[in-house]
Amino acid sequence: GAGVSQSPSNKVTEKGKDVELRCDPISGHTALYWYRQRLGQGLEFLIYFQGNSAPDKSGLPSDRFSAERTGESVSTLTIQRTQQEDSAVYLCASSLGLAGVRETQYFGPGTRLLVL
Amino acid sequence: QKEVEQNSGPLSVPEGAIASLNCTYSDRGSQSFFWYRQYSGKSPELIMSIYSNGDKEDGRFTAQLNKASQYVSLLIRDSQPSDSATYLCAVRTPSSGGSYIPTFGRGTSLIVHP
Repeated sequence: GAGVSQSPSNKVTEKGKDVELRCDPISGHTALYWYRQRLGQGLEFLIYFQGNSAPDKSGLPSDRFSAERTGESVSTLTIQRTQQEDSAVYLCASSLGLAGVRETQYFGPGTRLLVL
Repeated sequence: QKEVEQNSGPLSVPEGAIASLNCTYSDRGSQSFFWYRQYSGKSPELIMSIYSNGDKEDGRFTAQLNKASQYVSLLIRDSQPSDSATYLCAVRTPSSGGSYIPTFGRGTSLIVHP
């Protein structure tokens, strides 16, 4: 079946503009994660959705960042008033949501964001 | 601050040798441990997961976990040039929001030369 998909694959924007990044998880996966990966760095957790529970937003770096998820499907990550330090690859991952701490995450190809 | 530490490398080994990648973590509440491989410009892909102390083998890969020392390692036997990539250690630790979120290290760059 299809894996996790993300769009756009690349995004170039000007400082101060808003951007929306999209993630389509694997069908049937109730858990969805957003991460940010700056060049040469590890993955930085942003936000986690599990089914209909309230999302875990503890990783969002500022109030310029927000995310939504429609049921157990598509999620959008929105960055308002983008800054140059927001330039990074934004990765989405999904998992079944049934195995707790032993869950295996499956990653999408990422969106490469460049803020000029 | 929950931390997952890895030597950034690069670790350079000759083809056919054993590559040893190490990771330490700070949170004793960590529950599960994962190794991912990430090729340049690509997304991470899972290689191994380990949950209990000891060794777990899968083909050329062996993961080792020592919870008392807060240490997890990955051994790659008979290293191949195609193994050249960045290896990310991930540890599921409780987030401030109460979820067990994988925390990732910065990764170790492995170069296998012919």
